[in-house]
Amino acid sequence: GAVVSQHPSWVICKSGTSVKIECRSLDFQATTMFWYRQFPKQSLMLMATSNEGSKATYEQGVEKDKFLINHASLTLSTLTVTSAHPEDSSFYICSASGLAGGSYEQYFGPGTRLTVT
Amino acid sequence: DAKTTQPPSMDCAEGRAANLPCNHSTISGNEYVYWYRQIHSQGPQYIIHGLKNNETNEMASLIITEDRKSSTLILPHATLRDTAVYYCIVSLTGANSKLTFGKGITLSVRP
Repeated sequence: GAVVSQHPSWVICKSGTSVKIECRSLDFQATTMFWYRQFPKQSLMLMATSNEGSKATYEQGVEKDKFLINHASLTLSTLTVTSAHPEDSSFYICSASGLAGGSYEQYFGPGTRLTVT
Repeated sequence: DAKTTQPPSMDCAEGRAANLPCNHSTISGNEYVYWYRQIHSQGPQYIIHGLKNNETNEMASLIITEDRKSSTLILPHATLRDTAVYYCIVSLTGANSKLTFGKGITLSVRP
């Protein structure tokens, strides 16, 4: 159980275009989803926290107008990178928060590798 | 900033136990210790978590010291597929609780 999927697994886009990444919790409902970014040889950095039906909360330094997050249902959150530039090339990973045994765990998706040319 | 410190790397022989240490001296009373691992180019995988008691599941055991200032993740019989970066994270438990990833420890399992 507790499977999180992401689509696409990798994407190449041209500079100036927008890219949408989907994150789905397949077998549980997630009121909260998180989006992370990971550059090569670095750790995961939290970008934003997304709650179903409300606006996302962005971490300091993350541009909310550039990284649009929508969490329209309990099983789907999307991240749209608008006007992508080469410096946005990274590994984007989502997670969904689920209750297990009285405490919460975050279940991570497999990640989406974005390359902006 | 991450509230944990881990050695940068360690290795162990296949079939032997891997003991991964973590220091979290500033942990507060209601924070849990979580362990995740990340195999190259994949999303992190949940391993185990605990508050103060030792925990065991099908993947690993978590030993937390009585003062809760440190813990050890034990992989009882390491295999080559356990080669990964292991992250020790302290966090409150809650739907909105954030995980702050440090640099983790790179475990290399050798044949």
